[in-house]
Amino acid sequence: GQNIDQPTEMTATEGAIVQINCTYQTSGFNGLFWYQQHAGEAPTFLSYNVLDGLEEKGRFSSFLSRSKGYSYLLLKELQMKDSASYLCAVRDGKAAGNKLTFGGGTRVLVKP
Amino acid sequence: GAVVSQHPSWVICKSGTSVKIECRSLDFQATTMFWYRQFPKQSLMLMATSNEGSKATYEQGVEKDKFLINHASLTLSTLTVTSAHPEDSSFYICSASYRTGGSNEQFFGPGTRLTVL
Repeated sequence: GQNIDQPTEMTATEGAIVQINCTYQTSGFNGLFWYQQHAGEAPTFLSYNVLDGLEEKGRFSSFLSRSKGYSYLLLKELQMKDSASYLCAVRDGKAAGNKLTFGGGTRVLVKP
Repeated sequence: GAVVSQHPSWVICKSGTSVKIECRSLDFQATTMFWYRQFPKQSLMLMATSNEGSKATYEQGVEKDKFLINHASLTLSTLTVTSAHPEDSSFYICSASYRTGGSNEQFFGPGTRLTVL
């Protein structure tokens, strides 16, 4: 099975930086995804890491350490529209269809 | 590109009736489609994985006779909630993926909110 942990909630100020950590335990790691989900909407893809290191995409960056079972999503220059839930998901390469297992999600509230 | 649609976007039904939700990949052929359920303030829980032309693989604890999945083509999968009860009220989200040799990411539909009275 898989176990994915991330903080439940975080609060930050507009313009600041927030780092969302995700730790996981899995038997057949085949990639880690970060998704953003606004209330009542479907998740949208933010980033994908399969090798160790940092992937940067504009204001969002994601880091992976496979040996530590650890990832983080870094949100820079926070904007009010960044208030959402951020979901960490791990893909199991041994499972049929390379299914994703999602963490509980981290609700980020951006304050003015 | 890689757009997934769901229909209906919301549905209200009486207890004991059946509800069918459609998931379509609009501009690509999906090798695999996934069905998730999400309760308020919780994360996505995978219900089943389906491949075109074959039986769906259900997650532990998901009743296959209650949640019927049909994946008749590479662009369409349906989820039928049979004999729905109030505890089945939830946000149902499908996703689709295709082999790219890269991330093979899942593209999510907009979700269907089911309310059972």
